[in-house]
Amino acid sequence: NAGVTQTPKFQVLKTGQSMTLQCAQDMNHEYMSWYRQDPGMGLRLIHYSVGAGITDQGEVPNGYNVSRSTTEDFPLRLLSAAPSQTSVYFCASSWTGTTSSYNSPLHFGNGTRLTVT
Amino acid sequence: GQQVMQIPQYQHVQEGEDFTTYCNSSTTLSNIQWYKQRPGGHPVFLIQLVKSGEVKKQKRLTFQFGEAKKNSSLHITATQTTDVGTYFCAANTGNQFYFGTGTSLTVIP
Repeated sequence: NAGVTQTPKFQVLKTGQSMTLQCAQDMNHEYMSWYRQDPGMGLRLIHYSVGAGITDQGEVPNGYNVSRSTTEDFPLRLLSAAPSQTSVYFCASSWTGTTSSYNSPLHFGNGTRLTVT
Repeated sequence: GQQVMQIPQYQHVQEGEDFTTYCNSSTTLSNIQWYKQRPGGHPVFLIQLVKSGEVKKQKRLTFQFGEAKKNSSLHITATQTTDVGTYFCAANTGNQFYFGTGTSLTVIP
């Protein structure tokens, strides 16, 4: 199993450009999510999905779109890149979202380092 | 949304010294997870605590969940250079996970 695969590893964009960060998992996980990691701010949730056809916003969704047409794939689209979106982006998946007391562990991809100039 | 405060932000220790990081929440948590991220790597799940007052051990790592389920700690005994990295706690509200800001551990040989 490859686990969670993210592409590309690195990307440089100019302000205003759009792009899609790819995320695929081969573990048949229902739950998938996108985080951005900035120095001193931990990991912040952008968008998440609890299954194919279902997506929802996280803590910092502005400027990003997602879709979930299959269980395996959960791409993140930057509509018009801004320097404030310079960050490291992680995709994570798990068996399910949450129950009342137990969460399935999150499995993270290797990340995409994005620079917007 | 859920806020999880984590301290300290940085910790430098001599190899062999102990290390502790703390997570605090203003609300009662259903559970808490701990992750480790090596420099340049991605977060990797370590453990989940669910019960009030729960204590779990993994070799030199001891994880505790407070009686009120509002705080948690990770303690490493006799640190080694392999312990270097950033340790995060994570809590959830519904299907949203909230991560602490992390504690970056440097171990000086």
